[in-house]
This record gives sequence, C-alpha cells and structure tokens, in this order.
Amino acid sequence: EAGVAQSPRYKIIEKRQSVAFWCNPISGHATLYWYQQILGQGPKLLIQFQNNGVVDDSQLPKDRFSAERLKGVDSTLKIQPAKLEDSAVYLCASSLVSQGKTEAFFGQGTRLTVV
Amino acid sequence: ELKVEQNPLFLSMQEGKNYTIYCNYSTTSDRLYWYRQDPGKSLESLFVLLSNGAVKQEGRLMASLDTKARLSTLHITAAVHDLSATYFCAVDPLNTGNQFYFGTGTSLTVIP
Repeated sequence: EAGVAQSPRYKIIEKRQSVAFWCNPISGHATLYWYQQILGQGPKLLIQFQNNGVVDDSQLPKDRFSAERLKGVDSTLKIQPAKLEDSAVYLCASSLVSQGKTEAFFGQGTRLTVV
Repeated sequence: ELKVEQNPLFLSMQEGKNYTIYCNYSTTSDRLYWYRQDPGKSLESLFVLLSNGAVKQEGRLMASLDTKARLSTLHITAAVHDLSATYFCAVDPLNTGNQFYFGTGTSLTVIP
C-alpha cells in the first residue's frame, strides 16, 4: 500500500515570498491533516479536511496560510507571504476509521526554510 | 486550552536498562496514540490505545492508558541502541472528529 506522498521535500525561500506544498493521501482515506512541526516541538494541527470539506482550521493563520482539497483527494497548503517563523517541517497525514479505530499515517514532510 | 505534556523531554539511558516515559493530557479522551520519529524522518505509528486500562506491547516497548488519571505511559525494557529516537504521544479528544493533538516529545538516546 502506498503511503502519504508529499512534495517538495525541501524548500528554501526568502521572507515575503510565496510557497505551496502538495499532498496525496493514502487511497480511500477520507480525512486529511496538515501539521506544522517546528524544530524541537511536537506537530501542531493546522487544518483538517473530511473529504473536501474543512472540519477544523482554528489554528491556521488565515492571514497568510490557505489550504484546499479539491475533489476530496489531493491537497495543497500555501503560505503567502512567508515569515521567518514559518520555518518548519510541514507534515501531511491521512486517516481512515476502521473497526472503531482511527489511525493517522504521515508523509515524509516538507522542510521549509525561510531566510 | 488542551495540553499534552510528556516527561522527560530528554532521556539518556544505557543499553539494558528500563525506563518509563509519561504522557499527561488535560482533556477527556479515551483514545491515545504513540508515535516514533527518527531524525529527519516522518512519524511512525507505534501504538493505538482505545480504552481505559488498554495495554499494548511490541518488542521492548509497552504502552498503557489510564483515562481517569489522563495518563499514558510508554515503558522501555532492556533498551537497545536502535530505540534511540523521539517519541510522541497524541491525544484524540472526545467529540472532535478524530483529531490528534501531540505532546512535546521525548528525545531518547540509548548509550552502548
């Protein structure tokens, strides 16, 4: 079974530039998450989709971050304009409820450096 | 504000020793997850704990959940170098639609 695919793996941009990340979840997984992991910290949930609808985006800085999940499959996360504090690893995860259990599977992440 | 706290944050232990990592959380939940993360890599699912009193074991790792105390433990038995990694617990609060709120992480180094 293919895992969660993310691209690019690495990205270096200057502050005030824009950047976009792409995620392809595991086939059949209805729920998709974007997490931000700052070095030395645990992942922080940015946004959760159920199919193509947003379940929770309460921690997404909406003045600069946006995300969409067209057709309920792939998703993109965009930052515009980027700030130095956005330097982090952006993890995409997908999950499926099976036998009363939900388990999230994570992609390799995109490491963003803002200079 | 939901808090998920782990301790210790850093753990250095000798091979062959035992130790326990603790995960405390501040919300009502009966679902807790443990993940492992190697440097520069993504998160790997270790355990899924679904009820009070749940205990799961895999190799040298054993996880347990006490929902009344809002506490989960990850016990390491006879540590080996390959267990060196960062371990995260994640809580799925009730009525949030399958979300995962992660702890601060415990960075484990096993010394030969």
